[in-house]
Amino acid sequence: DIQMTQSPSSLSASVGDRVTITCRASQNIGIYLNWFQQKSGNAPKLLIYGASSLQSGVPSRFSGSGSGTDFTLSITSLQPDDFASYYCQQTYNIPLTFGPGTKVDIK
Amino acid sequence: QVQLQETGPGLVKPSQTLSLICAVSGGPITSSGYYWTWIRQHPGKGLEWIGHIYHSGSTYYNPSLKSRVTISVDLSKSQFTLNLKSVTAADTALYYCARSFNNQFDPWGQGTLVTVSS
Repeated sequence: DIQMTQSPSSLSASVGDRVTITCRASQNIGIYLNWFQQKSGNAPKLLIYGASSLQSGVPSRFSGSGSGTDFTLSITSLQPDDFASYYCQQTYNIPLTFGPGTKVDIK
Repeated sequence: QVQLQETGPGLVKPSQTLSLICAVSGGPITSSGYYWTWIRQHPGKGLEWIGHIYHSGSTYYNPSLKSRVTISVDLSKSQFTLNLKSVTAADTALYYCARSFNNQFDPWGQGTLVTVSS
């Protein structure tokens, strides 16, 4: 199985901050990488697919980059609605696997 | 737009079979290229892909669960089903169904909590 790791596991930030979350795959996955946002009590929501493509309806302050084994999710100017957990997911091969998540909370 | 809704018992006894249904509305379950997926999340933990099915009936399962999992589709009812046999407390989780197309997992159901306990 492809192992996904994320860093940091949690972070505290203020509204307006720029936030960066890193995801690393245990092997080359090309750009087969998704990012999800999950708020407490809700299902995950797709933010980014194909490492850098913004899902329809997702604000442009979210962006993704990377390829191979190292990926980044960036949020420019953090908004109150963005405090949540974020997960990466590889779709390169089965079993599809997720990172352990990064919780973003209010400083 | 397409909506998914999970239904099933919230409590299952150990060694029994967990059965969940995901009802698909707002669009055809037979659309080309769409895979119908089950994912679970243990309480306070991360996400685990269980498997998915195509409308043709072809399935792909997580090897860690493959011996216990069956996913099936009922085209006439526009729904797909998860069966997980011989459950233990380790199968207690929030179970989600979702649609994937070109590896884009969207939308998701709201999730249903299944507790395994006697």
